[in-house]
Amino acid sequence: KQEVTQIPAALSVPEGENLVLNCSFTDSAIYNLQWFRQDPGKGLTSLLLIQSSQREQTSGRLNASLDKSSGRSTLYIAASQPGDSATYLCAVHDYKLSFGAGTTVTVRA
Amino acid sequence: GAVVSQHPSWVICKSGTSVKIECRSLDFQATTMFWYRQFPKQSLMLMATSNEGSKATYEQGVEKDKFLINHASLTLSTLTVTSAHPEDSSFYICSARDRSGRSYEQFFGPGTRLTVL
Repeated sequence: KQEVTQIPAALSVPEGENLVLNCSFTDSAIYNLQWFRQDPGKGLTSLLLIQSSQREQTSGRLNASLDKSSGRSTLYIAASQPGDSATYLCAVHDYKLSFGAGTTVTVRA
Repeated sequence: GAVVSQHPSWVICKSGTSVKIECRSLDFQATTMFWYRQFPKQSLMLMATSNEGSKATYEQGVEKDKFLINHASLTLSTLTVTSAHPEDSSFYICSARDRSGRSYEQFFGPGTRLTVL
């Protein structure tokens, strides 16, 4: 059974600081890994999807890396802004999508 | 592109009643749709996988007679919570996989907040 762990559970940083969010998974036989953003009481917004054959994906200030062999992914958010405050979820796709518990980020103005 | 809608966005009902939630893929055909449940401060848990024209596959611990899923067309799946009770109060989110996609990517709806009184 795939287990997805996200560390830390919560993070508070001043505006402008870079964010580093970690995700680990137990079974490396995956199709892809996806990072989502979830605002309170809202649905999911897909941020980045990394195929199993890829090492990283970038979109604007976001960069996600994938190391399948070690079962790890890291989401980097550069120059954080208060609007980045949300919960970030990591999900791993093997035969189904398994989610981590999320990292709740607060960016202080 | 790849937009998934859910209706209603929120619903309040009395205990013992049934509630139907719709999930639609607006601009693509989805042979497979997924239903998730999220309790407060927790992550999403897959409830069932719905394939067009066939019976849904339920995850362990999910009562198929309580959570009825119908995937009648390539753009619509419905989840009916039968005889709802307060413990069924949760945030229900659906997702859909593009029939033509090769990336196995799922596109998520905005969710439905169910409150059972």
